Amino acid sequence: EDKVVQSPLSLVVHEGDTVTLNCSYEVTNFRSLLWYKQEKKAPTFLFMLTSSGIEKKSGRLSSILDKKELFSILNITATQTGDSAVYLCAPSGNTPLVFGKGTRLSVIA
Amino acid sequence: DTEVTQTPKHLVMGMTNKKSLKCEQHMGHRAMYWYKQKAKKPPELMFVYSYEKLSINESVPSRFSPECPNSSLLNLHLHALQPEDSALYLCASSQDMDSSPPGILHFGNGTRLTVT
Repeated sequence: EDKVVQSPLSLVVHEGDTVTLNCSYEVTNFRSLLWYKQEKKAPTFLFMLTSSGIEKKSGRLSSILDKKELFSILNITATQTGDSAVYLCAPSGNTPLVFGKGTRLSVIA
Repeated sequence: DTEVTQTPKHLVMGMTNKKSLKCEQHMGHRAMYWYKQKAKKPPELMFVYSYEKLSINESVPSRFSPECPNSSLLNLHLHALQPEDSALYLCASSQDMDSSPPGILHFGNGTRLTVT
């Protein structure tokens, strides 16, 4: 059975802090791992990772995948209150997008 | 706003009602998905249509009946639901379900369903 574990489940930080969100996974026939940000409604796409060791960056966010150790991390530097959201990790294999429980990030001004 | 449009945004229905949720995309995507999301939980896959054919049914009760009339539209027909079916129902689409890597899923804003 496919399994995704995200940690921590929740996190409270002050603006300007750097955070690291973790995702470990076990899926059959791994194809990719996606990160999404969910505020109140639709999850919005952040990154898709398919290869180990290649960092993807978008502004203050970055992510990397380790296919040998079966985990991924999402880093956010210089956090802002607008980063407050649930961050979802979702690997895909035989089943499209198996979501982890998410990390609820709260950034305090 | 997303490129996947879901209607209605909110729906309240009784346990004996029949209603439908609708989803539309015009990105030329050939895979469409229904997810169910309860409060403070991650989205859970319900159904996947690939090229207008039902490809995955994650053992969903028959009171939920999906339909894909064409490549741009996806419906979810609801009948005799239970209060525990109250949730946010998310539609998503991607270019192709079977490509490797699979395409990015684009989500709609969801329909918030309350069953009374």
